[in-house]
Amino acid sequence: DTEVTQTPKHLVMGMTNKKSLKCEQHMGHRAMYWYKQKAKKPPELMFVYSYEKLSINESVPSRFSPECPNSSLLNLHLHALQPEDSALYLCASSKRGQGGDEQYFGPGTRLTVT
Amino acid sequence: DQQVKQNSPSLSVQEGRISILNCDYTNSMFDYFLWYKKYPAEGPTFLISISSIKDKNEDGRFTVFLNKSAKHLSLHIVPSQPGDSAVYFCAASVLRGSQGNLIFGKGTKLSVKP
Repeated sequence: DTEVTQTPKHLVMGMTNKKSLKCEQHMGHRAMYWYKQKAKKPPELMFVYSYEKLSINESVPSRFSPECPNSSLLNLHLHALQPEDSALYLCASSKRGQGGDEQYFGPGTRLTVT
Repeated sequence: DQQVKQNSPSLSVQEGRISILNCDYTNSMFDYFLWYKKYPAEGPTFLISISSIKDKNEDGRFTVFLNKSAKHLSLHIVPSQPGDSAVYFCAASVLRGSQGNLIFGKGTKLSVKP
């Protein structure tokens, strides 16, 4: 099983809403990632969890709050987002969270902030 | 400033011919490179990688070439098939002492015509 699943596939939320994106993998990977991708742009790293601890936060605004409840799950909690936060949010996982790891991506959640 | 550049936003190739996708990088610390393929509404899928100790890596129809002195790599697909039509992202990483986070190029949209 080389699958990373993400829910929901699509999400529309208002600027005052609170919502969460979920990501799951059952490959035994110990690193999980959140990326943000805008149209015609490359994926941009937001957060890295390595062995369930936050190891990289790429200066992401606090309205995005990641959580790693266990080694298989990764959440991204959203609150008070702005319309410019509308994007495809991709989750990925890799074996160890070290250089040379292949990252396996989920299909993404298409987020629209109104 | 982009550290990984894919200067061709699109490429069109006839079925059966060779597709050559190019990627340049500026950061000399990068020593591990990956190619990902992305279909619409799906996450990126890992294709092939190469470390800087090699100048060529081959996997079936896919070959990646690395020219370290020119800070340039290319992905060759031969023969090209209509199912190869997708966006191809080049990504770079640092092997040692890193979290394995990837820096992506903007992508090249490949269209293979029957």
